[in-house]
Amino acid sequence: EAGVTQFPSHSVIEKGQTVTLRCDPISGHDNLYWYRRVMGKEIKFLLHFVKESKQDESGMPNNRFLAERTGGTYSTLKVQPAELEDSGVYFCASSRQGKSYEQYFGPGTRLTVT
Amino acid sequence: AQSVTQLDSHVSVSEGTPVLLRCNYSSSYSPSLFWYVQHPNKGLQLLLKYTSAATLVKGINGFEAEFKKSETSFHLTKPSAHMSDAAEYFCVVSDLPTGGSYIPTFGRGTSLIVHP
Repeated sequence: EAGVTQFPSHSVIEKGQTVTLRCDPISGHDNLYWYRRVMGKEIKFLLHFVKESKQDESGMPNNRFLAERTGGTYSTLKVQPAELEDSGVYFCASSRQGKSYEQYFGPGTRLTVT
Repeated sequence: AQSVTQLDSHVSVSEGTPVLLRCNYSSSYSPSLFWYVQHPNKGLQLLLKYTSAATLVKGINGFEAEFKKSETSFHLTKPSAHMSDAAEYFCVVSDLPTGGSYIPTFGRGTSLIVHP
């Protein structure tokens, strides 16, 4: 079984630019989560999809962040326009329906905004 | 509300000696507790979980953790460290599911350094 994959692994952009991160969950996992770790801080929850629907987006920092999961498969997280404080590692995780505590994480995308 | 504190940002041990990574939590309800490990350039891997069953939980790679409600602790231990255990470890707490899903709170992580 393939694991959770994320693309790109690294991204360096300038302040004001747009970046789109992609996450491919494990096949058959209805739950998909986005997290972020800013340097030196904790990993923080951003949002949760169940299939294509946003179940909880209470962790999204502001309206510069837009997450989508059209078709209930892969998900994208767009940051537009990027700010310096958006730098960090963005993790994606997925889990089966009914087993949301057992989340499988991807390797993360390291975003650097200069 | 829930929170988790990992008491050490770095732990250094010699290969073959015991490992102790400390974690204290705060939860308004009966929590679920987890330890994850992250090796360089890899995703977080679930080591073990406590979800209100046995208080001593065994995980992968010889790790175990004991849930102690009276001390609000969930320390991670291993009898004998191996070089491959060098990684960053995260303690995670999650209490009542929100809308049917667990939204976890992560600790800041503990880097385990293993010396030959």
